[in-house]
Amino acid sequence: GENVEQHPSTLSVQEGDSAVIKCTYSDSASNYFPWYKQELGKGPQLIIDIRSNVGEKKDQRIAVTLNKTAKHFSLHITETQPEDSAVYFCAASRGAAGNKLTFGGGTRVLVKP
Amino acid sequence: GAVVSQHPSWVICKSGTSVKIECRSLDFQATTMFWYRQFPKQSLMLMATSNEGSKATYEQGVEKDKFLINHASLTLSTLTVTSAHPEDSSFYICSARNPDRPSYGYTFGSGTRLTVV
Repeated sequence: GENVEQHPSTLSVQEGDSAVIKCTYSDSASNYFPWYKQELGKGPQLIIDIRSNVGEKKDQRIAVTLNKTAKHFSLHITETQPEDSAVYFCAASRGAAGNKLTFGGGTRVLVKP
Repeated sequence: GAVVSQHPSWVICKSGTSVKIECRSLDFQATTMFWYRQFPKQSLMLMATSNEGSKATYEQGVEKDKFLINHASLTLSTLTVTSAHPEDSSFYICSARNPDRPSYGYTFGSGTRLTVV
């Protein structure tokens, strides 16, 4: 089955700096890679996703890159703000509606004002 | 759309009793829903895949007789924790994806905090 590794497990950045989280996956058939933000006591919220036919996707301060050959993908948050503090999870899936997501271990991001 | 509603948001029950958690897709029909369990400061662990009109598919190590899943309609899946024990205390989260809006991705419910005393 799929295995997703995520690094780092914790990340502390100064407000305004950039944050980068990296994930690797093992199943070459995976073709859908979402990133979720989870605040304390809440369910994960999708912040951005990418499919294997695209190498990069950007949405305002958030971007995701995908390297299919190396089987890794990364989340980039620029101009970080205190409200970006949360736990971020990467995930991978084969993409069909009935296919399950496999999650990385999570990264706890703290943005210091 | 792709809105998933989960209820209750928290529940406290006594050891030995059963607890039912509901997961509803509000604006789409979900033939498949997923149930996750999350311990403090850990990742989401898939427990089972709930299939409308058929039996759920459980992940290895998950007791199907303890965690009963029913997906009787296209908008509702339920997870019942039977004979709950303190070690079942956890955060349970459901998820679904609108098959007609694949670009929306998987949507998660707000989670249910179960505390067994």
